[in-house]
Amino acid sequence: GAVVSQHPSWVICKSGTSVKIECRSLDFQATTMFWYRQFPKQSLMLMATSNEGSKATYEQGVEKDKFLINHASLTLSTLTVTSAHPEDSSFYICSVPVGSNREQYFGPGTRLTVT
Amino acid sequence: GDSVTQMEGPVTLSEEAFLTINCTYTATGYPSLFWYVQYPGEGLQLLLKATKADDKGSNKGFEATYRKETTSFHLEKGSVQVSDSAVYFCALRATGNTPLVFGKGTRLSVIA
Repeated sequence: GAVVSQHPSWVICKSGTSVKIECRSLDFQATTMFWYRQFPKQSLMLMATSNEGSKATYEQGVEKDKFLINHASLTLSTLTVTSAHPEDSSFYICSVPVGSNREQYFGPGTRLTVT
Repeated sequence: GDSVTQMEGPVTLSEEAFLTINCTYTATGYPSLFWYVQYPGEGLQLLLKATKADDKGSNKGFEATYRKETTSFHLEKGSVQVSDSAVYFCALRATGNTPLVFGKGTRLSVIA
């Protein structure tokens, strides 16, 4: 199966600062990547769909100016949390649909803590 | 819109007990159905899937059957092990390139 990595695996930042999270597809070229957010003991909520060569598609209620997504290449998508606040603290997970079945492979996630 | 409802946990079982985690869905058309597992400190991993009615997905002793008539995809295992302790997510996907819709997850703890 495909290997998806995320960096960093965890990060602590101060309120008002910005944090960039990387999602890499290590062995598969991905024109699409998905970004999810997972609150403690809750399900994964889709935030946005990252599209290589075009703008990301955001889900309703997700602030596109706060969560900047850049699909820089066929193997890299980045999520930047701008002007972070404590309520942005969460577990952020990316996934890559692969193959004709579009089976999704997930990254290990990035835990963000905003103090 | 599409949605997935799964039984709330946590579920605590003794080793070798029988496991059932219920999952029902609401969707238009004929979605594909999945069970994902998240072990402590790790990312989600696909456990099993079914793409059409009456299909049975199976892996590592776990099974789930796509029941269109009851819109269900219950996860079962005949004899759980301590190593099965994890959070289990039921999910659906409407079409090939759409994102997954997840249930809230069920935490399973298996004690020796």
